[in-house]
Amino acid sequence: EPEVTQTPSHQVTQMGQEVILRCVPISNHLYFYWYRQILGQKVEFLVSFYNNEISEKSEIFDDQFSVERPDGSNFTLKIRSTKLEDSAMYFCASRSGSRGLGETQYFGPGTRLLVL
Amino acid sequence: AQTVTQSQPEMSVQEAETVTLSCTYDTSESDYYLFWYKQPPSRQMILVIRQEAYKQQNATENRFSVNFQKAAKSFSLKISDSQLGDAAMYFCAYKVGNEKLTFGTGTRLTIIP
Repeated sequence: EPEVTQTPSHQVTQMGQEVILRCVPISNHLYFYWYRQILGQKVEFLVSFYNNEISEKSEIFDDQFSVERPDGSNFTLKIRSTKLEDSAMYFCASRSGSRGLGETQYFGPGTRLLVL
Repeated sequence: AQTVTQSQPEMSVQEAETVTLSCTYDTSESDYYLFWYKQPPSRQMILVIRQEAYKQQNATENRFSVNFQKAAKSFSLKISDSQLGDAAMYFCAYKVGNEKLTFGTGTRLTIIP
């Protein structure tokens, strides 16, 4: 069964450093998302991406964040200058977009980011 | 703004028994989708079940079923014949159109052997 993959599974970085989190969505999916979950808290939406542009972003997704789909398969989240409060689990999700079953977002296993 | 409320931070159930997890949501939309996701200790988000608001019939997936009450804006998850592998955080989530998923705060389910 197709699945969303994410790399790396864990990332430790120093405050102020740039990090790039990578995701490979399910191959025929058209809508892509990033969410984050701070330990012990609920999952929060960051950004959605469709047709090579951002379709929606949250207040969390400030100028420090950017997303890109550099080729036909990868979907990346870049944090330019990490802060301590960026420490969280970052989830990528994708969906096909068709009516009905295509409304379901499938999540990757997550990248655990720790900022020291 | 849409909100999703899970009023039970923790629940426990004896193995093989049935448990119901509660979820309510607030929306002015009439066409939307509701989901239950399971998050085991590995922290992966796994889809359990989905419900389209335009469907009156409650969704069922094996031992998992929902009680969808559209007028009351309630979407509870029933797990029958609970198994040790069901132990996890369960998140209720809401989506309208092409928009994001809005999650509740989760319910931690413990299975007692």
